[in-house]
Amino acid sequence: SYVLTQPPSLSVAPGKTARLTCGGNNIGDKSVHWYQQKSGQAPMLVIYYSSDRPSEIPDRFSGSNSGNTATLTISRVEVGDEADYYCQVWDSSSDHSVFGGGTKLTVL
Amino acid sequence: QVQLQESGPGLVKSSETLSLTCTVSGGSISPYYWSWIRQSPGKGLESIGYVYSSGTTNYNPSLKSRVTISLDTSKNQFSLELYSVTAADTAMYYCARALGAPPGPDAFDFWGQGTMVTVSS
Repeated sequence: SYVLTQPPSLSVAPGKTARLTCGGNNIGDKSVHWYQQKSGQAPMLVIYYSSDRPSEIPDRFSGSNSGNTATLTISRVEVGDEADYYCQVWDSSSDHSVFGGGTKLTVL
Repeated sequence: QVQLQESGPGLVKSSETLSLTCTVSGGSISPYYWSWIRQSPGKGLESIGYVYSSGTTNYNPSLKSRVTISLDTSKNQFSLELYSVTAADTAMYYCARALGAPPGPDAFDFWGQGTMVTVSS
């Protein structure tokens, strides 16, 4: 089945830019969705269809997708952005949704 | 605003059946995918499967032999049954709505708060 690879952790200073990656074979041909999960909470959709943003998500969050890597970019990172971030695609070959292993974003 | 709420036992004995229900309020069942997703303690997210508003279902290949997801449109509910559970099925179970049209679901835009299920021996 389709595999999504995310680095386990990323640290960034407040005010800087965080770039979280999600690797997959020809992932650029797929729609990628990103979720933020804060400690003890349910995941929340932050980017869908690779680059669209729900209305309640600040424009500091953006997404891109090309080749074998999708990227979630968080500009002007805030302490409140500290969370686990998961990428997800639908794998047409298995008709199954697949999640990456998640990246823990730490804001130092 | 769409809201989802999981309900069901928090403790299930090994080899028995885990049964959960998700009640949907504030929105229509159609035309969406309704899914179950779980998260083992300290681990990542795992999709269990979905039921489309037409009744079509599909399951994670790794769980397919033990899972049934069903939809009750009259009650605005959908349900999960996971058979022959073991300790490995101990997890937080989330229900979620997915956008998209056939052949498959896209993003999960609304989630329940989750319910923790522990499998005991």
